[in-house]
Amino acid sequence: AQTVTQSQPEMSVQEAETVTLSCTYDTSENNYYLFWYKQPPSRQMILVIRQEAYKQQNATENRFSVNFQKAAKSFSLKISDSQLGDTAMYFCAFMNYGGATNKLIFGTGTLLAVQP
Amino acid sequence: EAGVAQSPRYKIIEKRQSVAFWCNPISGHATLYWYQQILGQGPKLLIQFQNNGVVDDSQLPKDRFSAERLKGVDSTLKIQPAKLEDSAVYLCASSSRLAGVETQYFGPGTRLLVL
Repeated sequence: AQTVTQSQPEMSVQEAETVTLSCTYDTSENNYYLFWYKQPPSRQMILVIRQEAYKQQNATENRFSVNFQKAAKSFSLKISDSQLGDTAMYFCAFMNYGGATNKLIFGTGTLLAVQP
Repeated sequence: EAGVAQSPRYKIIEKRQSVAFWCNPISGHATLYWYQQILGQGPKLLIQFQNNGVVDDSQLPKDRFSAERLKGVDSTLKIQPAKLEDSAVYLCASSSRLAGVETQYFGPGTRLLVL
């Protein structure tokens, strides 16, 4: 069974600085997708970025980028130029490709606080 | 386009009572999911529908939880009778294939408190 581990329950960063959130996963599959979702306080889950496992190039979306290390089963999220609106719970998630179900398997989340 | 809609946003009930949640997915999305998010944890899939058929309900406590998706659009999730441990946020999501990747979009959730 696949598992996702986020070892940092809470993190803090100063506005305009860079922060990296860690995520590791365990799977025996070769084809899968990885996601980072953001859940602001009392607001809905929003997709931040996704990565296809077969792609070697790391995904980027504006200030958000990932460091995908397939052999190490590591998928970290880097937020550059942090903004107050980045304050949220961040979830790393795994999805098997080509299986009967497209369910997301989530980690326990990292609560990020951006300080002014 | 309109996002995933859920109602109610909040619900407080006593244990052993019943409760129902409603979800309206993004128009055109064939796949719909219900997740349970207990405080301090990541969401966990309860059930996945493809159109009006069940794809995965392996983690749905079927003795008390039920879900349906009539006509392949809206869905309801019911708990009867509720237990204290059912207190959680219930998230509905729907998905489409975006640039070749099945991508899920979440609703605002229903926060349930069982007393």
